[in-house]
Amino acid sequence: DGGITQSPKYLFRKEGQNVTLSCEQNLNHDAMYWYRQDPGQGLRLIYYSQIVNDFQKGDIAEGYSVSREKKESFPLTVTSAQKNPTAFYLCASSIDRRNTGELFFGEGSRLTVL
Amino acid sequence: KQEVTQIPAALSVPEGENLVLNCSFTDSAIYNLQWFRQDPGKGLTSLLLIQSSQREQTSGRLNASLDKSSGRSTLYIAASQPGDSATYLCAVGAWVSGGYNKLIFGAGTRLAVHP
Repeated sequence: DGGITQSPKYLFRKEGQNVTLSCEQNLNHDAMYWYRQDPGQGLRLIYYSQIVNDFQKGDIAEGYSVSREKKESFPLTVTSAQKNPTAFYLCASSIDRRNTGELFFGEGSRLTVL
Repeated sequence: KQEVTQIPAALSVPEGENLVLNCSFTDSAIYNLQWFRQDPGKGLTSLLLIQSSQREQTSGRLNASLDKSSGRSTLYIAASQPGDSATYLCAVGAWVSGGYNKLIFGAGTRLAVHP
């Protein structure tokens, strides 16, 4: 079945460590996104990529980094510079780079800083 | 700056009731609007997508309407069932520089349907 796979589902990090969240899609979508979700708040955009080897910062990119070396993969690294990284992270994709259609989401990764 | 508000934040209803979830946005210059469902600890599932030129969309027991001029959308759920219990989020799409349609999300309405 086509879809978006995020891993790991749960991740624990010690302060000062970098961690990388994986996002893979087999929908052949051009555009991919990373969102952060905190309790009681709407989703906030971290980074997005409209095409391979290209990505742009979203609203809360500080302390995060991404790469888009392959169409199907868009990993997110949470660096030690991110002051409050504990959150639920969601990866999404859309068929076209202008994001005019439906947005499809993965199951999410929950990151907890110890 | 576009802001999206969902009221109520939480709702509890008995099974079988028809209900309406509300979404309001401050800037009417939107490209589209999507309603999503989120189960606890899970990702979002797209329910309905309304383009700015449309007034409503229907899927099964769900009907979503869009009134751009008043900055409002409603999600109508007919004959609610316990399986409808989830958080419902709306998101509006607006063009930003670079020809990209950015989605701005509301905080969601948490719905509980009890038997």
